Amino acid sequence: AQTVTQSQPEMSVQEAETVTLSCTYDTSESDYYLFWYKQPPSRQMILVIRQEAYKQQNATENRFSVNFQKAAKSFSLKISDSQLGDAAMYFCAYRGRFQGAQKLVFGQGTRLTINP
Amino acid sequence: ETGVTQSPTHLIKTRGQQVTLRCSSQSGHNTVSWYQQALGQGPQFIFQYYREEENGRGNFPPRFSGLQFPNYSSELNVNALELDDSALYLCASSLETNTEAFFGQGTRLTVV
Repeated sequence: AQTVTQSQPEMSVQEAETVTLSCTYDTSESDYYLFWYKQPPSRQMILVIRQEAYKQQNATENRFSVNFQKAAKSFSLKISDSQLGDAAMYFCAYRGRFQGAQKLVFGQGTRLTINP
Repeated sequence: ETGVTQSPTHLIKTRGQQVTLRCSSQSGHNTVSWYQQALGQGPQFIFQYYREEENGRGNFPPRFSGLQFPNYSSELNVNALELDDSALYLCASSLETNTEAFFGQGTRLTVV
């Protein structure tokens, strides 16, 4: 079974600075997707960024980028120029790629606080 | 284009009762997945429905059951509620079973 581990329950960063959230995962599959989701107090899960395991290039979405290390099974999220609106719970998630791989497997989450 | 909507937003039930939670999928989406998120935890997969059939189930007992209707909206039913069922229940819809999931705002269930 696949597992996802986020070892940082809480992180804080000064506004406009850079922060990195860590995630490790375990799987025996060779191809899969990895995601970072943001969950603000409104409770709705919002997709921040997605990485396909067969792509060596790290995904980037504006101020958000990932460092994907497939051999180490590591998938960290870097937020540059942090903004007050980035404050939320962040969840790392895994999903298999092949037919029948329906479910997202989530980590325990990291609460990110932005200090003005 | 409407997003995923869930009802009700909050609910309080007594132990032993039954509850039904509802989810309207995003327009054009034929797949709905349900997740349980206990306080301070990540979401756990309950089950997925694809074109009105159950298409995968997580490690939840049979008292958790579901339905998907011809318009692809869905219900989650929980019988014989236990205190540990208190959680945020999230619904996610997607175009197909293994494409991007779009989440609703969840239903907060409290069992007393």
